[in-house]
Amino acid sequence: AQKITQTQPGMFVQEKEAVTLDCTYDTSDPSYGLFWYKQPSSGEMIFLIYQGSYDQQNATEGRYSLNFQKARKSANLVISASQLGDSAMYFCAMSANDYKLSFGAGTTVTVRA
Amino acid sequence: EAQVTQNPRYLITVTGKKLTVTCSQNMNHEYMSWYRQDPGLGLRQIYYSMNVEVTDKGDVPEGYKVSRKEKRNFPLILESPSPNQTSLYFCASSLDGTANTGELFFGEGSRLTVL
Repeated sequence: AQKITQTQPGMFVQEKEAVTLDCTYDTSDPSYGLFWYKQPSSGEMIFLIYQGSYDQQNATEGRYSLNFQKARKSANLVISASQLGDSAMYFCAMSANDYKLSFGAGTTVTVRA
Repeated sequence: EAQVTQNPRYLITVTGKKLTVTCSQNMNHEYMSWYRQDPGLGLRQIYYSMNVEVTDKGDVPEGYKVSRKEKRNFPLILESPSPNQTSLYFCASSLDGTANTGELFFGEGSRLTVL
């Protein structure tokens, strides 16, 4: 069974600083994908970034980067230069086959001015 | 505009009264899925569908039914709702699955309260 663990229920970060959100996963499948989604207070789910298990380089999308450490089974999200609009809940997710996507419990980020 | 549309967005109902939450996507996606979101538990997959007439259980299918008669629609049916089904529900779709494309398109969510 797939399992995603996000150990930080909530975090505060100062505007313009970087923040790292932790995510560890557990799977026996050699091929899998890792995802991060953002959920602002309005409730919608916004896709941020994707990392495939065979990708050689860490994924980056603008201010978002995924620190993928395969041996440690971790896929931490780094948000650089935090903005007030980054305040939201962030979910790590994994798919080890094409059809089932498992989510972590989420981390709430609050950006302070 | 490419989108996943859920209805209703908000619903308060009573125990045992059958209800259906509709989901429709206009992107010709093969894959569709339902999730429920509860505090501290993240999103949990209820059912998914790989294509028309092909559905399978997710992690928490008890108390729910789905059907996929058309590619664009994937309704979620609660035959006899109970208070433990009070939750925020999301429908999502992707072109051919989850791990391959890297992106799941989500609907705006349906907040269901069962009294």
